[in-house]
Parts: sequence; structure tokens; C-alpha cells
Amino acid sequence: DQQVKQNSPSLSVQEGRISILNCDYTNSMFDYFLWYKKYPAEGPTFLISISSIKDKNEDGRFTVFLNKSAKHLSLHIVPSQPGDSAVYFCAASAITGGNTGKLIFGQGTTLQVKP
Amino acid sequence: DAGVTQSPTHLIKTRGQQVTLRCSPKSGHDTVSWYQQALGQGPQFIFQYYEEEERQRGNFPDRFSGHQFPNYSSELNVNALLLGDSALYLCASRETGTYGYTFGSGTRLTVV
Repeated sequence: DQQVKQNSPSLSVQEGRISILNCDYTNSMFDYFLWYKKYPAEGPTFLISISSIKDKNEDGRFTVFLNKSAKHLSLHIVPSQPGDSAVYFCAASAITGGNTGKLIFGQGTTLQVKP
Repeated sequence: DAGVTQSPTHLIKTRGQQVTLRCSPKSGHDTVSWYQQALGQGPQFIFQYYEEEERQRGNFPDRFSGHQFPNYSSELNVNALLLGDSALYLCASRETGTYGYTFGSGTRLTVV
């Protein structure tokens, strides 16, 4: 039972353009969402997060949008840079329910930014 | 400031053997979680330790066990290794009351 899904295994964009990575979830108890970036041979690096009380959070070139009714979130990267090429993971947690220890991850989306 | 440190980085074990993986959390962090990442998949939660006790556990058999020490470092033990245990094992730490985890680079375990 995949509670967090990233349906696009890969995405290729041109440098300078916008990258949009999508994530869907099924558990309505999830109230905190995170995006991580992973390079080969390294652990996941935290990018940005959003609480369910918000619908948007912005940090520099990275913006996360949350649509609770659709149980969907997306990560926008503008402008995309070749150094952004990595695997991006969406993760969810049920903080209110006390599950602060457990992150549920999607399968990941490999982003390639072409110069 | 060192982040999360894991050892060893790579390990090859034979089916049926036992393995111990180690993790030192980021300075100031007191909660440690372990994740298993199979090839092409996202990390899967194994368990979380806080105040030297297992606080939450994912859907993993009892062959997977852990420990947290007074200095907050942690070990993951896997008994009776199966070929399917081959994966990247990630340790993550956070400070209690915060929700963002810092991950280590992982231990690549290969069971042959």
C-alpha cells in the first residue's frame, strides 16, 4: 500500500526553465510534508517543507504547493540549474497523530537539467 | 559541524550472518531513525529511538533490532541475513520538537 506516490520516475528540463515535481498521498492523517534531494552516494538532503495549515511555502528558487482536497503537492524549481540534477523524494508525516518519528517516502523522481 | 555519520560505508555479508551498522547523530540531535532504501525505491522507515528506547517501528521483522546509547548514537542489528536485505541503510537524526530529519550518507549492505 503506497501511501505516498511520485508517478513520474523521471523529468528532463532545460536550464533556466521551471521544473515541476509532483506527489500524491492517500492518508488524510498526513499533516506535514517534506521534499528531499539525493545525489548518488550521498544521503537525502532536506530541501523544503510545508505544514497542512498552509498551501504554499517558498524558499529561494524552491516553492512547494499543497492542495489538501486533492491530496497533492508539488515542488517548483525556478530557474532550474544543472546542479539541481538529482533524485527528488517527497515525504509525509502525521505529526498531530504523534507519528513524528516516521516519514513515508515516495519512490522518487529523477530530475535532469540540461545545460 | 559534522552531520550524521554512519559506518561502515560498504559491507558484504553472507546469507544467514548477522550485521551491525552504526550511526552518530548530528550535534544537538537526540532522536535517531533508521531507514532501508532498496534500489529504485524511496527509503522505508525501520524504527526510531529516543531516550534509549524504541519509540516507533515500521513493518520490519524482529530480525531487525536496534539500540541507542546515552550519547545518542545508535546501532542497527540485522540477524539471519537474507538476500533481500541487500539495500542502502540510512540513519537520520533530529532534535526533539522539530520535524526535519538530517540524513547520513548510508551504509550499502550487500548480502551474497
